[in-house]
Amino acid sequence: ELKVEQNPLFLSMQEGKNYTIYCNYSTTSDRLYWYRQDPGKSLESLFVLLSNGAVKQEGRLMASLDTKARLSTLHITAAVHDLSATYFCAVGYGGATNKLIFGTGTLLAVQP
Amino acid sequence: DTAVSQTPKYLVTQMGNDKSIKCEQNLGHDTMYWYKQDSKKFLKIMFSYNNKELIINETVPNRFSPKSPDKAHLNLHINSLELGDSAVYFCASSQSGPNEQFFGPGTRLTVL
Repeated sequence: ELKVEQNPLFLSMQEGKNYTIYCNYSTTSDRLYWYRQDPGKSLESLFVLLSNGAVKQEGRLMASLDTKARLSTLHITAAVHDLSATYFCAVGYGGATNKLIFGTGTLLAVQP
Repeated sequence: DTAVSQTPKYLVTQMGNDKSIKCEQNLGHDTMYWYKQDSKKFLKIMFSYNNKELIINETVPNRFSPKSPDKAHLNLHINSLELGDSAVYFCASSQSGPNEQFFGPGTRLTVL
């Protein structure tokens, strides 16, 4: 059974601090996606990682993919309150179908 | 605006009723999806259509029937609604292949 696990499930951090969210998956894949969801809102695409060693950065967020370890990380640098949201990783399988298996989500609360 | 849109945004109904949710995308994508997000925010793929052909059909009660009249539209009809069907249903679209999926605003279904 395909499993995608994120940790931590909940992260409370202070503004200005750094932290990393981890996404582990059980079956080989070379594609991984990070999404952000604000309360009551839709999912916003953050990063698309399509190869081993891929690293992408946008503002205070940086995502990486290690397909051999079946691990992706989302690193937050100098957190600000606006980053408070739920972050999901999703692993893609299949060719044209690109079936996404979502992780459990990490609720990030950045305290002033 | 280019986007994925869904109607209705909210749907409150009694057990046993039949209801439909509609989705449209004007992004020119050839693949559309239905996801269910439960009360714990867990996201699970239900169906996917590529060029009007059903390509992902997860283990979902057969009370749920998707229909795609054309590439830009994907509807979800639910018969004999049950309490456990209460959730947020998201439509998404992408170009086929390992491409990011763009999500609609969601339809919050409440079954009383």
